[in-house]
Amino acid sequence: DQQVKQNSPSLSVQEGRISILNCDYTNSMFDYFLWYKKYPAEGPTFLISISSIKDKNEDGRFTVFLNKSAKHLSLHIVPSQPGDSAVYFCAGMNNNNDMRFGAGTRLTVKP
Amino acid sequence: DVKVTQSSRYLVKRTGEKVFLECVQDMDHENMFWYRQDPGLGLRLIYFSYDVKMKEKGDIPEGYSVSREKKERFSLILESASTNQTSMYLCASRTSVGTDTQYFGPGTRLTVL
Repeated sequence: DQQVKQNSPSLSVQEGRISILNCDYTNSMFDYFLWYKKYPAEGPTFLISISSIKDKNEDGRFTVFLNKSAKHLSLHIVPSQPGDSAVYFCAGMNNNNDMRFGAGTRLTVKP
Repeated sequence: DVKVTQSSRYLVKRTGEKVFLECVQDMDHENMFWYRQDPGLGLRLIYFSYDVKMKEKGDIPEGYSVSREKKERFSLILESASTNQTSMYLCASRTSVGTDTQYFGPGTRLTVL
C-alpha cells in the first residue's frame, strides 16, 4: 500500500520554463513533507521541505505547495535548468519520524 | 560535512549466497535506515534502527535481516540471496531530534545471478 504516490514517472520541460512535479498522499498522519533529488549513481539529497501547518515554502528557484484537504503537494522549479535533470522523490513523515517515499519522477530539462 | 558511506558501489553475487551490505555514518546519528530502489516503486523501507542493538521492520523485510552493534554502523544481510533481490540498496541516517532530513549514502547496486 503506497502511502505516497507520484503518478508521473517522467516529465520533460524546456530550459527556462517552469517544472511542476506532483505528489499525492493517503496517510493523514503525515505532518511533514520533503522533496529529494537523485542523480544517477548517487544517493538522494534533500531539496526542500514543508510542514503540514503551512501551504507554501520557497527556497530560491524551488517552491513547494501543500494542499492538505486534497492530500496533494507539488514542487515548482522556476526557471528550470539542465542541471535540474534528475529523479525527484516526494516523501511524507509522521510525528514518529517514520518516512515514506513515492516512486519518483524523472525530470529532463532540455537546453 | 555529513557523510554516509556504503562498503561497495557494485556487487555481483550468486543465488543462495549470503550477502553483507555495510553502512557507516560519521554524524553520531541515532537513526539509520535501509531502503531498496526499484524502477516504478521508488524507495521502499526494508529495516530501520533507532539505536544500537535496536531494529524495526520496514515495509519489505522479508528475506533480509540487519545488525546494529555500533552506533555508526548498520549492516543489511541477505541470508540467501535470490534474483528478486537484485536492486539498488540505499542506506540513510538521521538524528532523532526534530524533523531534520535523512542523509543518504551513494548506494550499492547488487546483482544476484
